[in-house]
Amino acid sequence: DTAVSQTPKYLVTQMGNDKSIKCEQNLGHDTMYWYKQDSKKFLKIMFSYNNKELIINETVPNRFSPKSPDKAHLNLHINSLELGDSAVYFCASSQGTGPHNEQFFGPGTRLTVL
Amino acid sequence: AQSVTQLDSQVPVFEEAPVELRCNYSSSVSVYLFWYVQYPNQGLQLLLKYLSGSTLVKGINGFEAEFNKSQTSFHLRKPSVHISDTAEYFCAVSETIQGAQKLVFGQGTRLTINP
Repeated sequence: DTAVSQTPKYLVTQMGNDKSIKCEQNLGHDTMYWYKQDSKKFLKIMFSYNNKELIINETVPNRFSPKSPDKAHLNLHINSLELGDSAVYFCASSQGTGPHNEQFFGPGTRLTVL
Repeated sequence: AQSVTQLDSQVPVFEEAPVELRCNYSSSVSVYLFWYVQYPNQGLQLLLKYLSGSTLVKGINGFEAEFNKSQTSFHLRKPSVHISDTAEYFCAVSETIQGAQKLVFGQGTRLTINP
């Protein structure tokens, strides 16, 4: 069984388009995250949600809008895509919000903006 | 804010040789440290974590790490590597921001195992 899944795995699109990435976890976790991994493999948190509520927004441009319809899903919508948005986006989840928690990562979505 | 430095961007090693991947963190009163592994075209997977207690932490796939408070280090080691250990390895420190967990990752170390 897949613990954290993301769709699509690959996304190629033109500048200026709007796209969405979906994430689902079947671990029963309360907390979900979005990370961005750039071309140099550097990983940085973008958002964190707990019980469907936003708790961390790491100064991400407001073109990025996460949405959590329920605790098992955290989707990422990106408006007006720019070249610099090209990256691998990872979804993750954890049992709670404490600093000791293990985060479980999805397989990633490789976004290429042309 | 916490920070993590992985001192080597790439480490090439021969199969069955020992390996050490270095990680230093910024000092803090309480520190929670993690090592994650990313195999090619996959997501991250937890190798091990240090929360408290024994400074020597054992993880999956024969890896272990030692927490050294005086040197603010958390180096990852394996006594004998296999081809299948070829991957990107990330050290991370966990902090609490606005009541939420935030993982701050190092730059990653690419471990390449040569036959």
